[in-house]
Formats: sequence, structure tokens, C-alpha cells
Amino acid sequence: DGGITQSPKYLFRKEGQNVTLSCEQNLNHDAMYWYRQDPGQGLRLIYYSQIVNDFQKGDIAEGYSVSREKKESFPLTVTSAQKNPTAFYLCASNPTGKNTEAFFGQGTRLTVV
Amino acid sequence: AQSVTQLGSHVSVSEGALVLLRCNYSSSVPPYLFWYVQYPNQGLQLLLKYTSAATLVKGINGFEAEFKKSETSFHLTKPSAHMSDAAEYFCAVRYNNNDMRFGAGTRLTVKP
Repeated sequence: DGGITQSPKYLFRKEGQNVTLSCEQNLNHDAMYWYRQDPGQGLRLIYYSQIVNDFQKGDIAEGYSVSREKKESFPLTVTSAQKNPTAFYLCASNPTGKNTEAFFGQGTRLTVV
Repeated sequence: AQSVTQLGSHVSVSEGALVLLRCNYSSSVPPYLFWYVQYPNQGLQLLLKYTSAATLVKGINGFEAEFKKSETSFHLTKPSAHMSDAAEYFCAVRYNNNDMRFGAGTRLTVKP
């Protein structure tokens, strides 16, 4: 089945450690996105990529990094510079075209202790 | 910045009552508009999307939304709420730069 896979579903890390969240899609979509979700704030865009080896910062990129070495993969690293990393992280992708909807993974809940 | 606003972070209706979730966008250029639903600890699922073909858009689970350019709105409605409709709903917008932006969400509660 085609879809977007985020792993792991739950992740615990100690403060000060970097952590990488995985996002893989087999939909052959060009564009991929990372969003952060906090209660009452909706989804905020962290980074997005419209093509391999290219990505742009979203509204809250500070403390995060990404790579897009392969079309199907868009991992997100939460660095120790991120002041408040505990959140629900959602990865999405969509095919080329402004009227196309985004398809979402099931999310990763990161808890930093 | 171009954005989308959802009025009301919580909406509560009785089972069988009309559901109305409000969404307004901020642009003189009509964007592409979407409504998504999210159940706890899951990703988002598309309910419907507006792509300029028709102003009244029908989606899954009996939901529909009407694009009103004069009001810059794209409100989501359902004639009769079911218990299974209880979830969080997000309005989203895509402009010419191709990234998708979301509203803050509206949590729908359905009372028996």
C-alpha cells in the first residue's frame, strides 16, 4: 500500500541530545513537509522540500535541520538548540500542483525529559 | 503573512444537530483551500478541497463547504452530527509559493 511512514510513533530523549525523526513515502511525491503540532496552535511549518537536494525553512525552523537526499525520504533532526522540543511532529507529502492535497503520516510524539 | 483563521477553538453540538465550523483566509487572491480531520494521536485525513471548479464542495462523511470570495470564507458544515464526528478539524490554505498553511484547529464535541 502507498503511504507515508513515520517512525517511531513515540520517542523519548534526554535534554541536550539531538534526535532524528524518520519520514518515508512511497507515493512518488515531489514535495514533503514537516509540521509541529502543539495544543491550541494548530500545525506550524518547520521545513519543506519541493525537490530532491533542496529545502526551505518554514515558520519555526530554528533548532531543526533536514535533508532530502532521496525523493522518498525527508528526515528531521531536532537539535539541542530547540528550546522546547516536546511536541507531536507530522510529516506530509503531496504531488506537484497547487490544488493537490497533502497526505500525512501518523505522527511521532517526541518527549524530552 | 498570508494565513487562515478558524473562529472558535471548541464547538459543541448535540447529536443530530447542524455542524458549522468557520474558516476565513487572508488574501485578495483566492487560494486553494482544504479541510482536514484529525482523530487523537493520528495524522490528518482530507475531508474536502476547493480548487475553483465549484463553490460548493462535497466531501467525505457527509461534510461540505462553500467558498465565498466576497467573505473570504470556506466554512465547513454537516446537516446532522454523529458521535463519530467528534475530532479536531483543520482548515488549510495553499498559495502560489506552494507550501500549505493550517489554521489553529477547532475541536468538535458531539453530545448524546
